[in-house]
Amino acid sequence: DVKVTQSSRYLVKRTGEKVFLECVQDMDHENMFWYRQDPGLGLRLIYFSYDVKMKEKGDIPEGYSVSREKKERFSLILESASTNQTSMYLCASSWAPGQGAYEQYFGPGTRLTVT
Amino acid sequence: AQKITQTQPGMFVQEKEAVTLDCTYDTSDPSYGLFWYKQPSSGEMIFLIYQGSYDQQNATEGRYSLNFQKARKSANLVISASQLGDSAMYFCAMRVTGGGNKLTFGTGTQLKVEL
Repeated sequence: DVKVTQSSRYLVKRTGEKVFLECVQDMDHENMFWYRQDPGLGLRLIYFSYDVKMKEKGDIPEGYSVSREKKERFSLILESASTNQTSMYLCASSWAPGQGAYEQYFGPGTRLTVT
Repeated sequence: AQKITQTQPGMFVQEKEAVTLDCTYDTSDPSYGLFWYKQPSSGEMIFLIYQGSYDQQNATEGRYSLNFQKARKSANLVISASQLGDSAMYFCAMRVTGGGNKLTFGTGTQLKVEL
């Protein structure tokens, strides 16, 4: 079974702190994704990565950066956390197009609260 | 740009009855895929079913079927014989070819199964 793990289920940080959310997958997937989920807005793509050290902005990248130094690990960084970044953050991974099934496999999510 | 619309924020169904969750989509790309995910209260996203735009038959997976009407750009999820464990948030999503396996999600439908 594919397993996607996230470093924390719940996280509370203060405004202005630098926050790291980490995601690890064990299926050798090329693609990895970070989403945030807010009530009434569904899931919105922040960043995705299609290979090591490769990244592309999603729909809402402002205030976030990412790092992918190893294939299995994809980190989301909030350089200076703000209260409007309080949200559920979901990581996902998938095969590259043409290399397997298309579905994305999700981690359990990190509920981040910024106070 | 791609868009997914789910117009039912909440739905109720009696146990053992069938229920249809609506999803309409908008894309100008002729090649795309449609997904449904389930998110229980625990938060993890569970892949349910996939339909490719060139698939001739509607996808089925156990009690889940996808009613794909291409001309109407709709991809409704049908759950037969509802169970209490089906109570969850359901998301429709779309992937377009050339989009690097990125998904665009709808806002979700909260389904509650009652005795």
